Amino acid sequence: SQKIEQNSEALNIQEGKTATLTCNYTNYSPAYLQWYRQDPGRGPVFLLLIRENEKEKRKERLKVTFDTTLKQSLFHITASQPADSATYLCALEQGSSYKLIFGSGTRLLVRP
Amino acid sequence: GAVVSQHPSWVICKSGTSVKIECRSLDFQATTMFWYRQFPKQSLMLMATSNEGSKATYEQGVEKDKFLINHASLTLSTLTVTSAHPEDSSFYICSVILGENIQYFGAGTRLSVL
Repeated sequence: SQKIEQNSEALNIQEGKTATLTCNYTNYSPAYLQWYRQDPGRGPVFLLLIRENEKEKRKERLKVTFDTTLKQSLFHITASQPADSATYLCALEQGSSYKLIFGSGTRLLVRP
Repeated sequence: GAVVSQHPSWVICKSGTSVKIECRSLDFQATTMFWYRQFPKQSLMLMATSNEGSKATYEQGVEKDKFLINHASLTLSTLTVTSAHPEDSSFYICSVILGENIQYFGAGTRLSVL
């Protein structure tokens, strides 16, 4: 069956360091992958989309890589700030139906 | 600014009663909206796809008679949890698609059934 895995353990880092979050998937061949941020008690907010033919995508302090051979995406936040503390979700499109399947998310905590 | 407005943000109800949650698209028309449910520390699970002017499409395992979806206009979809029970207590979130299959989510509704 199709599966998306994100590290369930919280990632705790010092302000200024680079945070790296991992998303692995099995039994999928997605055309693209998305990353969202979710704060407690709030709906997710879109961050980045990367297509299968793109190796890397950047937006300000954010960088996403997509390795379709490893079936893995890495999400990096450089020069992390306490305000970056949140849960980060990866999501894959399900077929061509516009439906997204989400990973369970990784909580990031950036210490001042 | 916000793309989607969801109301209420929090509701408490007695077991056996019904609760309606509204999802509105702001300043644009949405022929399709999605409804998700999220239990604590778990992922968003898609419940159904709401289609304007036609019946909603439910995901496997979601009871259509319990979770009634009405998408009567191009800017409003409603989810009604009928005969709610404590196990229905969860965080319900709607979303719409804009642009390149990017989903914009409402702020969510926390449902607590006593």
